[in-house]
Amino acid sequence: GENVEQHPSTLSVQEGDSAVIKCTYSDSASNYFPWYKQELGKRPQLIIDIRSNVGEKKDQRIAVTLNKTAKHFSLHITETQPEDSAVYFCAASRSNFGNEKLTFGTGTRLTIIP
Amino acid sequence: DTAVSQTPKYLVTQMGNDKSIKCEQNLGHDTMYWYKQDSKKFLKIMFSYNNKELIINETVPNRFSPKSPDKAHLNLHINSLELGDSAVYFCASSQGPGTGLDEQYFGPGTRLTVT
Repeated sequence: GENVEQHPSTLSVQEGDSAVIKCTYSDSASNYFPWYKQELGKRPQLIIDIRSNVGEKKDQRIAVTLNKTAKHFSLHITETQPEDSAVYFCAASRSNFGNEKLTFGTGTRLTIIP
Repeated sequence: DTAVSQTPKYLVTQMGNDKSIKCEQNLGHDTMYWYKQDSKKFLKIMFSYNNKELIINETVPNRFSPKSPDKAHLNLHINSLELGDSAVYFCASSQGPGTGLDEQYFGPGTRLTVT
């Protein structure tokens, strides 16, 4: 089955600086890679996703890059703000295979230092 | 107008008891999921139903039994609760396999504490 590794497990960044979180996956058939943000005591919420036919996707201060050959993808947050503090999860799945099981990484606790 | 709702939000119970968690979604989605998030925040899928049919059944003790009376509801019944069952249980829903609409919407979670 799919195995998703995520690094680092904790990350502290000065407000205004950039943050990068990296994930690797094992199943070459995985083609859908979402990122979820979970604030303390809240539910995970999708912040951005990318499919295997795209190398990069941006949404304002958030971007995700995908390297299919190396089987890794990364989340980039620029101009970080205090409200970016949360746990971030990457995930991978085989979309459209009839069984869209999301395999999550172990999470990164991001702390923005004011 | 909550999209995915769960009850109860908190559940404290003793070892050996049986308990149920309920989930409802009003998004018109075909697929629903149960996830377990342990104390280290690791999110792991347990079950998934598509149109009331079980499609994902991970390696979960058979003390856990999901039930989907219709595609808007997915319940989780747990028999003979153990200390290790303490976790936050999240329900989620998505449009369904093969639709290309893969975003999963999570419920608020049920924090289960077994004493």
